[in-house]
Amino acid sequence: DTGVSQNPRHKITKRGQNVTFRCDPISEHNRLYWYRQTLGQGPEFLTYFQNEAQLEKSRLLSDRFSAERPKGSFSTLEIQRTEQGDSAMYLCASNYGTGGQFFGPGTRLTVL
Amino acid sequence: DQQVKQNSPSLSVQEGRISILNCDYTNSMFDYFLWYKKYPAEGPTFLISISSIKDKNEDGRFTVFLNKSAKHLSLHIVPSQPGDSAVYFCAASATSGTYKYIFGTGTRLKVLA
Repeated sequence: DTGVSQNPRHKITKRGQNVTFRCDPISEHNRLYWYRQTLGQGPEFLTYFQNEAQLEKSRLLSDRFSAERPKGSFSTLEIQRTEQGDSAMYLCASNYGTGGQFFGPGTRLTVL
Repeated sequence: DQQVKQNSPSLSVQEGRISILNCDYTNSMFDYFLWYKKYPAEGPTFLISISSIKDKNEDGRFTVFLNKSAKHLSLHIVPSQPGDSAVYFCAASATSGTYKYIFGTGTRLKVLA
């Protein structure tokens, strides 16, 4: 399977804990994106990378969120001191150039 | 600040008929537009895109129309099939400054057999 993969698929955590998600993009894609989606909404942009450089980060993203893409391959998204409002589906996507993005299946986070 | 709007949360269409999904945007800097389809428990799947230098793009049963003066785009599906039942998102990007994509809230399409 050469699509975008995300791990874990589901994560349940207690408020205040830290969580980390991983995304493996399609290998030849140079751009990688993170989105958050809640019920009844479209994907909300969080951040994106071009190769290993993080080029833009949403103003809505608090300092508790950090993302990395070492060596321009896989990416991780970490949420520190989780809050119940962080419960959502976290989607990763990748592309090359200006074409459509290929999305992974998402990681569903539940904060108790 | 909803820059991309899909004002119809749901749409039902008979199999074989045309489905028309609409999307409006407010940012005049947007110059690239995309449609995605999403099934439950899956990530969105890219369907079709259009650049602002065009007003129409076709791919099989899917056609996207862009009206720049009205800041409006639409996705036509002809003929509609039961397998098209999904949530459809439009997205927009201003490619000159960023490759960030802004998504609408989605329209749930139900194609009735």
